[in-house]
Amino acid sequence: RKEVEQDPGPFNVPEGATVAFNCTYSNSASQSFFWYRQDCRKEPKLLMSVYSSGNEDGRFTAQLNRASQYISLLIRDSKLSDSATYLCVVNMGGFKTIFGAGTRLFVKA
Amino acid sequence: DAMVIQNPRYQVTQFGKPVTLSCSQTLNHNVMYWYQQKSSQAPKLLFHYYDKDFNNEADTPDNFQSRRPNTSFCFLDIRSPGLGDAAMYLCATSSDEGGTNEKLFFGSGTQLSVL
Repeated sequence: RKEVEQDPGPFNVPEGATVAFNCTYSNSASQSFFWYRQDCRKEPKLLMSVYSSGNEDGRFTAQLNRASQYISLLIRDSKLSDSATYLCVVNMGGFKTIFGAGTRLFVKA
Repeated sequence: DAMVIQNPRYQVTQFGKPVTLSCSQTLNHNVMYWYQQKSSQAPKLLFHYYDKDFNNEADTPDNFQSRRPNTSFCFLDIRSPGLGDAAMYLCATSSDEGGTNEKLFFGSGTQLSVL
C-alpha cells in the first residue's frame, strides 16, 4: 500500500462546477497535511494547509478525517486557471514529507 | 524576495558522466530537501539535511550524494547517471523553528536529461 494515495483522474469539469478530491494516508501517526498545486513542468506550490477542524480559503475547502485517515479538497466555482495537478502531502513525522502522485484537473470553458 | 533558487533550470549529461545540481536559499531555513520527480509521478524524497545532519532515505541509491557546505547552499551529486535518472530534481526548504515541520518551499527545479 502506498503511503499517500490519490485518484489520478483526470477530472474534466466545466467552468463553474464544484469538484472534490480525496486522499488517503497509511500512517496514523502523521502530523501535518497539505494540498499543493503543480502546473505542468513547474514546481509544487502550497495551496493550503489542512487542519483537523477543516479550513476554507476562498473557493477552496480542505477537510481532515483522522479516524478514517483521509483528507479532501473541495473546489467551488471552478475557473479555467484551476487546471493543474493537485498533490496531497502528508508529514509522517520528523522531516519525512510524502507526496501523493497527484490528481489532474482540467476545467473547460 | 526570499526564495529558493535552483541552477541550472535544464541540465543535459551523458550516461555515466558525473553531474552536480545546485540549490541556494535566502530563507535561512534549517532544513533542506532533495526530491526526484519523474513524469506523472509523485515527488520522491531522496534525502534531507537538518542543519548539518544528513538523512538519507532507505531506498535512495548510493549513486546519489549530497553536500551542504553552509546554511544557504545544498548540492545534489549524481556520480554515474543512468537513463533512469532522467527526471525533475526539486530542492525544498522548511523551518522547524516552531517545533514542528512546517510547509515546504520549493525551487523551480532542474530538469535532468541523460543521453
